[in-house]
Amino acid sequence: DAGVTQSPTHLIKTRGQQVTLRCSPKSGHDTVSWYQQALGQGPQFIFQYYEEEERQRGNFPDRFSGHQFPNYSSELNVNALLLGDSALYLCASSRDRRTNGYTFGSGTRLTVV
Amino acid sequence: AQSVAQPEDQVNVAEGNPLTVKCTYSVSGNPYLFWYVQYPNRGLQFLLKYITGDNLVKGSYGFEAEFNKSQTSFHLKKPSALVSDSALYFCAVITNAGKSTFGDGTTLTVKP
Repeated sequence: DAGVTQSPTHLIKTRGQQVTLRCSPKSGHDTVSWYQQALGQGPQFIFQYYEEEERQRGNFPDRFSGHQFPNYSSELNVNALLLGDSALYLCASSRDRRTNGYTFGSGTRLTVV
Repeated sequence: AQSVAQPEDQVNVAEGNPLTVKCTYSVSGNPYLFWYVQYPNRGLQFLLKYITGDNLVKGSYGFEAEFNKSQTSFHLKKPSALVSDSALYFCAVITNAGKSTFGDGTTLTVKP
């Protein structure tokens, strides 16, 4: 049983560029949440997708956007990258938005230079 | 606004001794509380959760946590620590709508 799969595992981008990160949820899960984890900090909630719509959003600018597809997979897009966007981006999936606990992927390490 | 505080950046214990990793929270309504563990360069792994019911929650790898409503705390405990328990531990509060807040994490080091 595959857990949460994220791609790519590592990525280096230049300031001002755009990036797309991908997430496939655990089998049977329909809700995807995205987090940014800077070095030495806890995960910061970016947003959550359910039924292909953004349902909840944290305190992130509009440069951060997402999408969920009919197969429940999701993308995180970040435009106009800043050095401060360098972080580990974590995807977590759960079943029907309820608080059954999230299953996390191993993350995508984004470095902006 | 909801918040989570993990007052200790670092907890050091000797193998075989009991361990406690502290967490306090602030949330409107009933809290949904979680503990996760993170190993280097990995995602978070679920340990245990409190939704409702018994205040003492048992989870994976022998961990347990005690929900204390009056003190708004949800401390993680284990009766006998193992060296392999050394990792970064996060407490989180998640609303029923799905919005989550994590603490800044506590690094647990268990020495032989």
